[in-house]
Amino acid sequence: GESVGLHLPTLSVQEGDNSIINCAYSNSASDYFIWYKQESGKGPQFIIDIRSNMDKRQGQRVTVLLNKTVKHLSLQIAATQPGDSAVYFCAENTGGYNKLIFGAGTRLAVHP
Amino acid sequence: DVKVTQSSRYLVKRTGEKVFLECVQDMDHENMFWYRQDPGLGLRLIYFSYDVKMKEKGDIPEGYSVSREKKERFSLILESASTNQTSMYLCASSLQGGSTEAFFGQGTRLTVV
Repeated sequence: GESVGLHLPTLSVQEGDNSIINCAYSNSASDYFIWYKQESGKGPQFIIDIRSNMDKRQGQRVTVLLNKTVKHLSLQIAATQPGDSAVYFCAENTGGYNKLIFGAGTRLAVHP
Repeated sequence: DVKVTQSSRYLVKRTGEKVFLECVQDMDHENMFWYRQDPGLGLRLIYFSYDVKMKEKGDIPEGYSVSREKKERFSLILESASTNQTSMYLCASSLQGGSTEAFFGQGTRLTVV
């Protein structure tokens, strides 16, 4: 899950297993919540977003769950593949000019 | 494909130098952003711009300024570089309105010695 500090939390999974990456957010007024994937040497890439009035959204092999009661967001990746190895960030869109506030990130390591 | 291009992948500058980081996007996006990324701290917003010549401070603007003279170009300026500004700098752009997808450049790793 997410944490603040110098150490990036790491989630290690076996290839083919499902992965769940968690994130706690702070701003109840955020309009959207977004997951980004950052591979080594690259900028973050958009994966999926969810509007604040939804609690679940599915994409291709990914599902995002939003629990507004406890301000919690999760990203589920089905049948995790080696290409999923990356750092994953959750972000809040605070509205207005689509200003994004990012969490600290979670490293996903996929082992064969 | 949307492209956000940062002028340098790696830069080494001396303390006290004035540093310019350049970013260009080719999708006619209104919004542009500068973030810095440090281990364990995620991405922190330095400045953003929602239109030409318009700018807003982000969460950590101290020691930085920006310039947006043309819609496609957003520059980050370190007036007098310091060692604590050694970091990865990421530029992003997005449309205004309901779209949440921001497109990022590959980043500039700046080392101040």
